[in-house]
Amino acid sequence: GAVVSQHPSWVICKSGTSVKIECRSLDFQATTMFWYRQFPKQSLMLMATSNEGSKATYEQGVEKDKFLINHASLTLSTLTVTSAHPEDSSFYICSARDLKQDTGELFFGEGSRLTVL
Amino acid sequence: GQNIDQPTEMTATEGAIVQINCTYQTSGFNGLFWYQQHAGEAPTFLSYNVLDGLEEKGRFSSFLSRSKGYSYLLLKELQMKDSASYLCAVRDGDYKLSFGAGTTVTVRA
Repeated sequence: GAVVSQHPSWVICKSGTSVKIECRSLDFQATTMFWYRQFPKQSLMLMATSNEGSKATYEQGVEKDKFLINHASLTLSTLTVTSAHPEDSSFYICSARDLKQDTGELFFGEGSRLTVL
Repeated sequence: GQNIDQPTEMTATEGAIVQINCTYQTSGFNGLFWYQQHAGEAPTFLSYNVLDGLEEKGRFSSFLSRSKGYSYLLLKELQMKDSASYLCAVRDGDYKLSFGAGTTVTVRA
């Protein structure tokens, strides 16, 4: 199956700093990538849809100025958590769909665990 | 919006069969997915149903009834490694997936 790589896997930062998470589709092109957040013992919550070459679409309740998304190419989307605070500590996961396959399956990255001190 | 319900947890014995039910109410439907997620890891794809009926993949099978807004995931010949959280997810027309809260399955020896 298609491979989606996420980096970094783990990140610890101080409150008030910004953290960038990268999501790459390694062997396919993805015009659309999705960013999810998962708090402990909870399910995945969609944060935003990242569209190559255009602005991201954010879900209700997600601050677009706090969670900056850039999708500059068909294989890379980035999520930047700006001025991070402890309540932003979570597991962030990206997913992408292979344009050339219409199985409907979304391929997930390995996830990035953010801890804000 | 999407409303997806599944049991919180289930326990079964190694070698047994377990069925995880999922009911959904959605504003748009374009397929139902089941994912497996081990603690601290990203979800991995198990199955996909878009038409009514049963899809079988080895020890795992998934069933869908669109008219009833109902699906189940059947795990046969349970193994210890099957202990995980199982997520039911519904896709809308924009390819967005909405997830249920997940069912934690514990397999006992």
